[in-house]
Amino acid sequence: GENVEQHPSTLSVQEGDSAVIKCTYSDSASNYFPWYKQELGKGPQLIIDIRSNVGEKKDQRIAVTLNKTAKHFSLHITETQPEDSAVYFCAASPSSGSARQLTFGSGTQLTVLP
Amino acid sequence: EAGVTQFPSHSVIEKGQTVTLRCDPISGHDNLYWYRRVMGKEIKFLLHFVKESKQDESGMPNNRFLAERTGGTYSTLKVQPAELEDSGVYFCASRGYSGTRNTGELFFGEGSRLTVL
Repeated sequence: GENVEQHPSTLSVQEGDSAVIKCTYSDSASNYFPWYKQELGKGPQLIIDIRSNVGEKKDQRIAVTLNKTAKHFSLHITETQPEDSAVYFCAASPSSGSARQLTFGSGTQLTVLP
Repeated sequence: EAGVTQFPSHSVIEKGQTVTLRCDPISGHDNLYWYRRVMGKEIKFLLHFVKESKQDESGMPNNRFLAERTGGTYSTLKVQPAELEDSGVYFCASRGYSGTRNTGELFFGEGSRLTVL
């Protein structure tokens, strides 16, 4: 089955700096890669996703890149703000319609220091 | 519009006791999922309901776990008897259904933290 590795497990950055979280996956059949943000006391929330026919996707200060050959994808947050502090999870799936087949990474605790 | 709600937010029980977690999905969402995150590890799939039917329960750890969704509305997840390794955060998520494909965003609840002593 699919295995998703996520690094780092914790990340601290100064406000205004960039943060990068990296994930690798094992199943070449995976073609859907969502990222979830879990704020304290809340459930994970989808913040951005990318499909395998695209190498990069951007939404304001967040962007995701995908390298299918190397089987890795990354989340980039620019101009970080304190409200970006949260746990971020990457995930991989062979289909955007299959929540059962979503395999999650172990999470990254991001702390943005003011 | 109310999101996915879960109850209780935190439950502390002793080994051997029973706990029942409840999830109310977003109104109209046919698809309901249970996941679990053991401390510091990945979020893992437990099972999937489509309306009141179990579509996939391959992620359930063992027969001490029982999930129900009577009437296709809210769902319960019962752990009986609870063991130490059952401790973790149990998330419920729901998603709408369109045509012949599951489409749309997966919405998570805040989770129910279970601590087994």
